[in-house]
Amino acid sequence: GAVVSQHPSRVICKSGTSVKIECRSLDFQATTMFWYRQFPKQSLMLMATSNEGSKATYEQGVEKDKFLINHASLTLSTLTVTSAHPEDSSFYICSAWRNEQFFGPGTRLTVL
Amino acid sequence: GENVEQHPSTLSVQEGDSAVIKCTYSDSASNYFPWYKQELGKRPQLIIDIRSNVGEKKDQRIAVTLNKTAKHFSLHITETQPEDSAVYFCAASNTGTASKLTFGTGTRLQVTL
Repeated sequence: GAVVSQHPSRVICKSGTSVKIECRSLDFQATTMFWYRQFPKQSLMLMATSNEGSKATYEQGVEKDKFLINHASLTLSTLTVTSAHPEDSSFYICSAWRNEQFFGPGTRLTVL
Repeated sequence: GENVEQHPSTLSVQEGDSAVIKCTYSDSASNYFPWYKQELGKRPQLIIDIRSNVGEKKDQRIAVTLNKTAKHFSLHITETQPEDSAVYFCAASNTGTASKLTFGTGTRLQVTL
């Protein structure tokens, strides 16, 4: 199967700082990637669809100026959480589609 | 948009018994229905999926059924084992568009000895 990596796996930051999370498709090209957020004991909620070479499509209720997405190449999408607050603490997972969804291992973000 | 409901939220079965988890979806355009197993702190793992041109699919102890008319699909696990204990999510997608997944709320399965 295809492999999707994510970096970092864990990050702790202070309130008000920005954090960048990288999502890479290692053995295939992905024109579209997805970013999900999962709070403890809850389901995965789609935040946005990342499109290579164009603007991301955000789901209703997700602030595009707070969660910046850049899909600069066919193998890399980045999610930047700007001015992070404790309520942004969550598990962030990316995925890429290749006949099925391939998920990255996730990034645990803790904002102090 | 798509809305996926999942029941039950928790399920406890004895080892060797069967487990059934049910989901309903709202968007008739959805045509791809995967099931994922997620262990704590890990990524979701695809365990089985079904597309709308098929009514049933089986893979060893796992089977999925789809009723397009009623817009519901179910996961069946037979001969459950302790290692089946995890959280299971159903999802729905329209692969003709962005292929984004809408997840159900999850079922915590506990298989007891």
